Amino acid sequence: DTAVSQTPKYLVTQMGNDKSIKCEQNLGHDTMYWYKQDSKKFLKIMFSYNNKELIINETVPNRFSPKSPDKAHLNLHINSLELGDSAVYFCASSERPGQQYEQYFGPGTRLTVT
Amino acid sequence: AQTVTQSQPEMSVQEAETVTLSCTYDTSESDYYLFWYKQPPSRQMILVIRQEAYKQQNATENRFSVNFQKAAKSFSLKISDSQLGDAAMYFCAYRSGYGGATNKLIFGTGTLLAVQP
Repeated sequence: DTAVSQTPKYLVTQMGNDKSIKCEQNLGHDTMYWYKQDSKKFLKIMFSYNNKELIINETVPNRFSPKSPDKAHLNLHINSLELGDSAVYFCASSERPGQQYEQYFGPGTRLTVT
Repeated sequence: AQTVTQSQPEMSVQEAETVTLSCTYDTSESDYYLFWYKQPPSRQMILVIRQEAYKQQNATENRFSVNFQKAAKSFSLKISDSQLGDAAMYFCAYRSGYGGATNKLIFGTGTLLAVQP
């Protein structure tokens, strides 16, 4: 059984397009995250939701908009895609936002903007 | 702000040998957690080991162990009896112990480990 799943795994699109990445977790966790891994493999937090409420919003361009329809899903919508958005996007979840709870990662979505 | 530094971009080890990956961090917090994650070519992020800052005892998980030096803010990972499947990118990560908006993993730049047969 897949704990944290993301769709699609690969996404190739042109500059200026709008795209979404979906994330679902079947662990019953309350908290979900989006991380971005750039071309140099550097990983950085983008957003975090706890039970559908935004609790972390790093300095991300407002072209990126997370949406959490319920606590099992956290989607990432990106408007007006730019070349610099090419990266691997990871979704993660944890039982609660507390420090003792491990974050489980999805398989990642490789976004390529041409 | 907290930072995590991995000064070894690449390391190599012979199969069955031992290798140590270095990590240092900077924080003014007293409550925090440290992690090592493994990312193989499949790109899946896999938790290898975690260490609670309040625990003096170094964490161990089978062939993986850490050397946690809190005063020096050092958190190295030792892999014993290296196996071909250990070849991967290894990331050191920090997480604040205060929850809420600080509940994010702060990653180092990673160390690419090659295992030679």
